[in-house]
Amino acid sequence: SAVISQKPSRDICQRGTSLTIQCQVDSQVTMMFWYRQQPGQSLTLIATANQGSEATYESGFVIDKFPISRPNLTFSTLTVSNMSPEDSSIYLCSVGASGAVDTQYFGPGTRLTVL
Amino acid sequence: AQSVTQPDIHITVSEGASLELRCNYSYGATPYLFWYVQSPGQGLQLLLKYFSGDTLVQGIKGFEAEFKRSQSSFNLRKPSVHWSDAAEYFCAVAFGNEKLTFGTGTRLTIIP
Repeated sequence: SAVISQKPSRDICQRGTSLTIQCQVDSQVTMMFWYRQQPGQSLTLIATANQGSEATYESGFVIDKFPISRPNLTFSTLTVSNMSPEDSSIYLCSVGASGAVDTQYFGPGTRLTVL
Repeated sequence: AQSVTQPDIHITVSEGASLELRCNYSYGATPYLFWYVQSPGQGLQLLLKYFSGDTLVQGIKGFEAEFKRSQSSFNLRKPSVHWSDAAEYFCAVAFGNEKLTFGTGTRLTIIP
């Protein structure tokens, strides 16, 4: 299994600002995923990030709001831009060797509160 | 579209009692099936998974799940729960190489 760390673990931000969340894996992985878990809700996939290509966004999520970088096989960032209180959620990254069919391992999450 | 249903939002079980958490999916083909657990303030941990073969799957922490194609179900079971099992449990499915779709979760409370 992969060991995944996320920074920051939590943050409180002001409306209109942006926050970049980092995801670091202890081994090289093909696919990284970013999820959002709104309060009391299940996980919703934001996008899939493959190294060397543009991230693939799910319906309802756009690159301007959630830009993603994937500079190498062990690291990715998700930025939450121009934040509003509705963006208050836990953001989790996960990794998998070959996509959803393979087991995904999750980071501890970043708890974001937007005031 | 594929969907996952966890009918029980919240379950309370006495410590030492048996547990069954329900999960149903809707789709024509057989999916890949997962159960994850999320403890307070933690990320998700994989308990077990089913891809093919034996329909009774053993996982970590004494959990098992049974895939029943006729019922489109993948229920999670444990014969005797411990206080440390209190957490949120998520069922998830994937079809082909598509994304994971998560159920809404079941919160498990353990009483002494």
